[in-house]
Amino acid sequence: GNSVTQMEGPVTLSEEAFLTINCTYTATGYPSLFWYVQYPGEGLQLLLKATKADDKGSNKGFEATYRKETTSFHLEKGSVQVSDSAVYFCALRINTGRRALTFGSGTRLQVQP
Amino acid sequence: DTAVSQTPKYLVTQMGNDKSIKCEQNLGHDTMYWYKQDSKKFLKIMFSYNNKELIINETVPNRFSPKSPDKAHLNLHINSLELGDSAVYFCASSQGEANYGYTFGSGTRLTVV
Repeated sequence: GNSVTQMEGPVTLSEEAFLTINCTYTATGYPSLFWYVQYPGEGLQLLLKATKADDKGSNKGFEATYRKETTSFHLEKGSVQVSDSAVYFCALRINTGRRALTFGSGTRLQVQP
Repeated sequence: DTAVSQTPKYLVTQMGNDKSIKCEQNLGHDTMYWYKQDSKKFLKIMFSYNNKELIINETVPNRFSPKSPDKAHLNLHINSLELGDSAVYFCASSQGEANYGYTFGSGTRLTVV
């Protein structure tokens, strides 16, 4: 089956620190990969995506590279801000058949001033 | 205009009651979804409709029944509510190929007392 594994949180960082949130996946087909962010009390928002191997998704200073050889899609940001505090979800979607996103368990990021 | 809107935002009800959650999207998407987010933030697909046709029906108690009167609406009806049904329910929509992400609603927090 399809599954996504994320590092457990919470991840607590000081402002301007470097962020990495690990994400690995298993898939029965060829997936597209996504990172979603959920701010407190809100729904999920698409942060970035990559649809094929070696693609790099980027948005708002966040980046993630689709690594087929290691089945990974780690999220990185060079300098986090307090406003980045949220729960981050890695997800995959197989390009054929049913089109439901499979999510990881989420990683809570807390950025302290 | 809100792209994916859910009502109500909060729902508190007693065990044994029947309740409905409504979802509407104005994006012209062809596929809609219901996800359940538990207290640990884990997201699980429940149902998916494509052009009013049920295409995903995960292992969900048959007390949960989705209804899609048209491709812009997907409602969720829950019979005989139980304490374990307490969660946040998210509606989402998508269009086209798998490399597009979803647009999520802001969620309905259901509390069964």
